[in-house]
Amino acid sequence: NAGVTQTPKFQVLKTGQSMTLQCAQDMNHEYMSWYRQDPGMGLRLIHYSVGAGITDQGEVPNGYNVSRSTTEDFPLRLLSAAPSQTSVYFCASSYAYRPGVGTGELFFGEGSRLTVL
Amino acid sequence: QQPVQSPQAVILREGEDAVINCSSSKALYSVHWYRQKHGEAPVFLMILLKGGEQKGHEKISASFNEKKQQSSLYLTASQLSYSGTYFCGTERSGGSNYKLTFGKGTLLTVNP
Repeated sequence: NAGVTQTPKFQVLKTGQSMTLQCAQDMNHEYMSWYRQDPGMGLRLIHYSVGAGITDQGEVPNGYNVSRSTTEDFPLRLLSAAPSQTSVYFCASSYAYRPGVGTGELFFGEGSRLTVL
Repeated sequence: QQPVQSPQAVILREGEDAVINCSSSKALYSVHWYRQKHGEAPVFLMILLKGGEQKGHEKISASFNEKKQQSSLYLTASQLSYSGTYFCGTERSGGSNYKLTFGKGTLLTVNP
């Protein structure tokens, strides 16, 4: 069981470039989310998905796109990278909370550290 | 709106106790607690549901005061392995654990 796998782990971009952060989970979780983590800011939600074909915006969605064509994959696209997008990005997945079945905990990937010059 | 965590940082000696607080201005359905070690992903500790019982994990326990929209994390007889940043994540309605709102974190350092 790999859990949540993110690639790449490190990436350096120039301003204006585009790229995709990949996220895959093998736990058959309905829910998947992308968070960014900046020093002193905690984790902030970018986009989330409650199932294949369904996505929605979180707190800080500007400059990012997502899609969910399969249950397993939830890629995050940076359309035109800006220095303000320098951050550590975490993908997370979870079951829908059901009493007596699951705790609703989030399982996080190892993170992708992105630097935009 | 982000929940507010306090304190921002705490330094302990091994064996000492600590309390980390998390408060929200909005009505909450649940509070999650996570611990993150430097350079690693956050790891789930426990979840407290509205109307639920106090939860425990090893020597770490937590409570949820629904009337005050506050949760507290209790670390007793701290160990070196407890060092890390603790985050609370809040859920405003049932079944929305896919969009937690996290606090800014509390850095806990446990020294020998």
